[in-house]
Amino acid sequence: DAMVIQNPRYQVTQFGKPVTLSCSQTLNHNVMYWYQQKSSQAPKLLFHYYDKDFNNEADTPDNFQSRRPNTSFCFLDIRSPGLGDAAMYLCATSRDGLGGVEETQYFGPGTRLLVL
Amino acid sequence: DAKTTQPPSMDCAEGRAANLPCNHSTISGNEYVYWYRQIHSQGPQYIIHGLKNNETNEMASLIITEDRKSSTLILPHATLRDTAVYYCIVRVAIAAGNKLTFGGGTRVLVKP
Repeated sequence: DAMVIQNPRYQVTQFGKPVTLSCSQTLNHNVMYWYQQKSSQAPKLLFHYYDKDFNNEADTPDNFQSRRPNTSFCFLDIRSPGLGDAAMYLCATSRDGLGGVEETQYFGPGTRLLVL
Repeated sequence: DAKTTQPPSMDCAEGRAANLPCNHSTISGNEYVYWYRQIHSQGPQYIIHGLKNNETNEMASLIITEDRKSSTLILPHATLRDTAVYYCIVRVAIAAGNKLTFGGGTRVLVKP
């Protein structure tokens, strides 16, 4: 089945040690999103790619970066994780997102990051 | 962004219909109402969306008021597996993408 895949489901890293989370999709969607969801909170958009164009949310810390080497893959890099970065990281895709067009986002299962 | 207001929690009896309300009084004419749910420790799952007309699919029905200031998600026969947090979201089209701003959601507990 076509889907959004996130591996691993759980990731443990050390304080200050760079970590990369990965997302892949078999939907051939143009847009890929990264959300952060802290415990007992709603998901919050960090940034998204429309094809190769990167779009950062204004309040996303510089510590968070992203790469999209091709249509299928997108990575979330946390350069120096702090304890406050422990969260569930959710990847989502949508086929397109041109203004006014209804486009549904489909989410992966998430990667839960633990910072020690 | 148009904000949504939902009750923080509600209980529902298994086998009965669950009616989940949502207020979005500042919604604009071209903004869609989306519903997602999130079962514990999983990614959000798309349920249904609509613009003006009522919508129905295999999971649920969406009733949107004529003035579009509120909507109701209906789960026709709730099961224990429907226990989740349900998010009502007004989808905003942004530059090359679209933005889902999640609110607090409604925590639904389906009881036997």
